[in-house]
Amino acid sequence: AQTVTQSQPEMSVQEAETVTLSCTYDTSESDYYLFWYKQPPSRQMILVIRQEAYKQQNATENRFSVNFQKAAKSFSLKISDSQLGDAAMYFCAYRFNNDMRFGAGTRLTVKP
Amino acid sequence: DTEVTQTPKHLVMGMTNKKSLKCEQHMGHRAMYWYKQKAKKPPELMFVYSYEKLSINESVPSRFSPECPNSSLLNLHLHALQPEDSALYLCASSHPRGRSSYEQYFGPGTRLTVT
Repeated sequence: AQTVTQSQPEMSVQEAETVTLSCTYDTSESDYYLFWYKQPPSRQMILVIRQEAYKQQNATENRFSVNFQKAAKSFSLKISDSQLGDAAMYFCAYRFNNDMRFGAGTRLTVKP
Repeated sequence: DTEVTQTPKHLVMGMTNKKSLKCEQHMGHRAMYWYKQKAKKPPELMFVYSYEKLSINESVPSRFSPECPNSSLLNLHLHALQPEDSALYLCASSHPRGRSSYEQYFGPGTRLTVT
């Protein structure tokens, strides 16, 4: 069974600084997708960034980028120039076909 | 339109009640999902519909009954629930496998309280 592990229950970052959230996963598949979702206290799940496993190039979306290491089954999220609005629960997710699995989440606090 | 809507936003029901949660999307997605999320926990997949057919049922108790009447609409019928079923119920939709835009779009959720 596919599992997703986020080993950092909580992280804190100073506004304008950079923070990296960790995620590892376990799978025997080769063609899958990885995502980072953000869930603010308002509870809406918002997609932050996605990575196709067949692509070697790391995905980037403005201040958000990933470090995808397929062999190590690692998928970390880097947030640059952190903003107060980045404060939320961040979930790493793995998708194969229609099966989607989430990690336990990392709660990110941004200090002004 | 990249929106998934869910109604109601909040629902309080007794253990003998019958109620339904509704989810709607107009993005042309042919895969729709129900998740259950307890406080401070990740979403747990309950059901997946692909092309209006149930493709995944994660051993969910029969007191939860999903229905997909058409490609835009997904319902979750609730009957004889237990207090431990109180949670946030999230609906999501996506393109099925093979499309480049493969991420799931989530609705705002229905906060369910069973008394």
